[in-house]
Amino acid sequence: DTGVSQDPRHKITKRGQNVTFRCDPISEHNRLYWYRQTLGQGPEFLTYFQNEAQLEKSRLLSNRFSAERPKGSFSTLEIQRTEQGDSAMYLCASSLMIGHNEQFFGPGTRLTVL
Amino acid sequence: AQKVTQAQTEISVVEKEDVTLDCVYETRDTTYYLFWYKQPPSGELVFLIRRNSFDEQNEISGRYSWNFQKSTSSFNFTITASQVVDSAVYFCALSEVNEYSGAGSYQLTFGKGTKLSVIP
Repeated sequence: DTGVSQDPRHKITKRGQNVTFRCDPISEHNRLYWYRQTLGQGPEFLTYFQNEAQLEKSRLLSNRFSAERPKGSFSTLEIQRTEQGDSAMYLCASSLMIGHNEQFFGPGTRLTVL
Repeated sequence: AQKVTQAQTEISVVEKEDVTLDCVYETRDTTYYLFWYKQPPSGELVFLIRRNSFDEQNEISGRYSWNFQKSTSSFNFTITASQVVDSAVYFCALSEVNEYSGAGSYQLTFGKGTKLSVIP
């Protein structure tokens, strides 16, 4: 399967713990995006990378959120000191670098903070 | 700031009926892109269409058609002869382009979605 993959698919954690999610984009896609989706809402943009450069991160929800894409391939999203309000689906997407191409989404990681 | 409004929260139709999903957007830019995505019960967002702001031609793809009207800032989606497999949440999204650099943040701003239920 050559689509966007995310790991884990589900994560249950206790409040205050740190969590890290991984995203593997479609191999030829240079751009990678992270979104968050809560129940009954559309996805909300968090950050994006062009190759290894993080070009937009002002929408990360707080300084507890950080993302990396060290070699321009896979990416990780980390949430430190999780709170119950962080419970959501975290979506990763990738696209080609040319213009405003369509973004292809992965299956998401569902985070539950107890 | 850009904004996408999908006023219909939920729609139910009987199989084989036609259904139109509304999308109204707000943007200050003259260059932008509009998208529709489908999110079936399995959860994974599926890309349906991308349209740039300079192309107002309507598009048809099988049972799907899209009507883009810049004058009313709308990009509506019609499913003809709906089927049970069309049951999903449908999202309209907007991406802006910086007028000066021609670049953009490439982020998608999504509406809240319309849940379509097709009843057999």
